[in-house]
Amino acid sequence: EDQVTQSPEALRLQEGESSSLNCSYTVSGLRGLFWYRQDPGKGPEFLFTLYSAGEEKEKERLKATLTKKESFLHITAPKPEDSATYLCAVLNAGNNRKLIWGLGTSLGVNP
Amino acid sequence: GAVVSQHPSWVICKSGTSVKIECRSLDFQATTMFWYRQFPKQSLMLMATSNEGSKATYEQGVEKDKFLINHASLTLSTLTVTSAHPEDSSFYICSARALGQETQYFGPGTRLLVL
Repeated sequence: EDQVTQSPEALRLQEGESSSLNCSYTVSGLRGLFWYRQDPGKGPEFLFTLYSAGEEKEKERLKATLTKKESFLHITAPKPEDSATYLCAVLNAGNNRKLIWGLGTSLGVNP
Repeated sequence: GAVVSQHPSWVICKSGTSVKIECRSLDFQATTMFWYRQFPKQSLMLMATSNEGSKATYEQGVEKDKFLINHASLTLSTLTVTSAHPEDSSFYICSARALGQETQYFGPGTRLLVL
């Protein structure tokens, strides 16, 4: 069964304290892995799409990497404004092409 | 680029009335739009997928007669919650995807409260 697991469930960092969020997946053929950021009461904001193992993408303090089993979202020197829930989703290669979502990691960054 | 809007952002209605939510892709053509529902502290639950000019495909357990979806143009999809009841109160989010692309871009969401 296709599944996405995110860890940790919640994480609190001090400003400037770098860390990584994990997204483990099992899917019958990966068509794409997506990272989104969601602030309370808002829709998810697109961050990255990764398509194949070894791929990496960066945007400001965020860097996403992908292997055949998992993806990491590295946050370098986070700021309080990086506080949000980070969602991971995968798209399988089947005909339905539905996103399979993880439950997210709630990140809080203390000033 | 890839901006999706939703209107209204907040709606309060009486039980038994119908509510329409609009989802627009502002700077790209969305051949496919999706409607999700999100409960507090939970992930997104896909309700239906709609392709421009076609009938929507609903997920198992979602009543198509209650949640009417129209995707009449490449930039607009609407979700109408018919005869709303308090249990329909939720956060509804749409997303849009361009032809040949895999990434979905999400709207800001609509908070529905049915009294």
